[in-house]
Amino acid sequence: DIQMTQSPSSLSASVGDRVTITCRASQGISNYLAWYQQKPGKVPKLLIYAASTLQSGVPSRFSGSGSGTDFTLTISSLQPEDVATYYCQKYNSAPRRITFGPGTKVDIK
Amino acid sequence: EVQLVESGGGLVQPGGSLRLSCAASGFTFSSYDMHWVRQATGKGLEWVSAIGTAGDTYYPGSVKGRFTISRENAKNSLYLQMNSLRAGDTAVYYCARGVWSGYDYAFDIWGQGTMVTVSS
Repeated sequence: DIQMTQSPSSLSASVGDRVTITCRASQGISNYLAWYQQKPGKVPKLLIYAASTLQSGVPSRFSGSGSGTDFTLTISSLQPEDVATYYCQKYNSAPRRITFGPGTKVDIK
Repeated sequence: EVQLVESGGGLVQPGGSLRLSCAASGFTFSSYDMHWVRQATGKGLEWVSAIGTAGDTYYPGSVKGRFTISRENAKNSLYLQMNSLRAGDTAVYYCARGVWSGYDYAFDIWGQGTMVTVSS
């Protein structure tokens, strides 16, 4: 099975900072990677799919990049409402299964 | 409004059974894959099961043989039958809609979740 790791596991940054989260796959997965945001006490929300495509309604300060094994989620200017845990997720077709990364918790300094 | 609403969670003893339901509205339920995803308190997300539009089902090893996902398109409903429950199954269970976006697959709609507690 392909394993997903994320780094860092948590970070604290100031409002306005550029924040980058990394997701790494144990094998190449092309650009089949999605990112979710889960605010405290809330339901996960799809932010990005296909590694870099922004889901409708997601602020443009969020962006995704990468292909193969290494992917990044970037928040260009951190806002207080971005406090959340961010998860990457990959889809495997054979066998069909979904794998989430362990998550990265983002706080305001 | 596109919506998923779970129900059926509660407290169950180890070894017991529970059936979760998810009511869908606002979209053509029969046209979408559906999934269950769980999250233990303070932990990450774990995919639990999937059912395709043709009724094909998929599970990770952690629940295979104990959990059964099913759907009833006429009632716009998704179910998860959970048997032989263990303490490690304690979590919030979300139902989620799976969609193909380009060549990628993701969950674009999530329910609010239902809590399952396995304890004596």
